Amino acid sequence: GNSVTQMEGPVTLSEEAFLTINCTYTATGYPSLFWYVQYPGEGLQLLLKATKADDKGSNKGFEATYRKETTSFHLEKGSVQVSDSAVYFCARSSSARQLTFGSGTQLTVLP
Amino acid sequence: NAGVTQTPKFQVLKTGQSMTLQCAQDMNHNSMYWYRQDPGMGLRLIYYSASEGTTDKGEVPNGYNVSRLNKREFSLRLESAAPSQTSVYFCASSEGSSSGSTYNEQFFGPGTRLTVL
Repeated sequence: GNSVTQMEGPVTLSEEAFLTINCTYTATGYPSLFWYVQYPGEGLQLLLKATKADDKGSNKGFEATYRKETTSFHLEKGSVQVSDSAVYFCARSSSARQLTFGSGTQLTVLP
Repeated sequence: NAGVTQTPKFQVLKTGQSMTLQCAQDMNHNSMYWYRQDPGMGLRLIYYSASEGTTDKGEVPNGYNVSRLNKREFSLRLESAAPSQTSVYFCASSEGSSSGSTYNEQFFGPGTRLTVL
């Protein structure tokens, strides 16, 4: 079936540190891949997406590249800020109308 | 545009009580979804509605029913609440393209935090 495996959290970093959150997906079909972010007390917001192999999604300094050969979509940011503290979810499309989510990774950035 | 709205924001029920969670979207989206979020388990799909007039079970449908009232509104009903249904519930919507594309961004509401005692 379709599944997404995310790096276990929580992750705690100092401000301006480099961030990587690993994500791998099952290679069924030709999925689109997403990173969503959830700030405290809010719903999920789309952070970035990639719809085919070798695409790079980017937004707000975050990047992720769709790697078909390693079935990965790792999230990176070169210099995190306190305001990036949130829960990050990797997701893949399961069909034209459904998403399968990873378990989420809590990120805390300390000043 | 308000996007996706949900009511109520918080609710406490006793075991066996019933309630309906409301969701509405103003983006003219075809597809709507109900998820529950539990610690360490990400989001799990309860039910979805690919288009007005249709509903289908997701990963965890037991104990729930849904109604797609019209294109804008999709409600989730708990007929007899159980403590295992304590969770945060999210409604989402997407365009639900019929073109066969696998890209379908979902837009989420702010959530309903439900506690069943």
